[in-house]
Amino acid sequence: VQLVESGGGQVKPGGSLRLSCAASGFTFSSYNMNWVRQAPGKGLEWVSFISASSTYIFYADSVKGRFTVSRDAADSSLYLEMTSLRPEDTAVYYCAREAWVGRPFIDFWGQGTLVTVSS
Amino acid sequence: DIQMTQSPSSLSASVGDRVTITCRASQTINDNLSWYQQKVGEAPKVLVSAASTLESGVPSRFSGRGSGTEFTLTITSLQPEDFATYYCFQSYSTFYSFGQGTKVVI
Repeated sequence: VQLVESGGGQVKPGGSLRLSCAASGFTFSSYNMNWVRQAPGKGLEWVSFISASSTYIFYADSVKGRFTVSRDAADSSLYLEMTSLRPEDTAVYYCAREAWVGRPFIDFWGQGTLVTVSS
Repeated sequence: DIQMTQSPSSLSASVGDRVTITCRASQTINDNLSWYQQKVGEAPKVLVSAASTLESGVPSRFSGRGSGTEFTLTITSLQPEDFATYYCFQSYSTFYSFGQGTKVVI
């Protein structure tokens, strides 16, 4: 199993960025996926969930209306479109696979991609 | 939204010590609770799922207990590689959430 994020970088407040996560080593279309972020020196914050078939999508209140999660089964990729970015969105963004063994939990994480929102 | 509160926020321990971290949910989450270990500069790693199921490859000195609103992660005989930050995570509601973390230091 491998999850590789890309697309991070520095952007000005109010700007946009699109993160990608390339999945391999498993049947991507069978798994729910999540984005989780971690501000520098801070704890983990759940950002978004997308079900295996994209039927269900949820966002944390802190990003609702500004971020859009999507996935492409053809190229086994997960995306996070981020708009109206704020300094408080500065964080390492992790792509995370959700397993279901009786109860859902995150079983694999990517290495993360850093997003810096600063003027 | 469900709030997860961990205690303590940090603790100082020695190799060989028994350590217990507590996680409390603001409402019942049954056993939809998992625990993660994160070392500096690394992605988190799952230790326990469904409150008490030890994940493959995780040493048996780690154990999880609890149901409803109160949960614990115990490390018996702390090893040098266990010094890290630990997070609980609830997946009961459609809006998931993490505890604020517990840093275990020497």
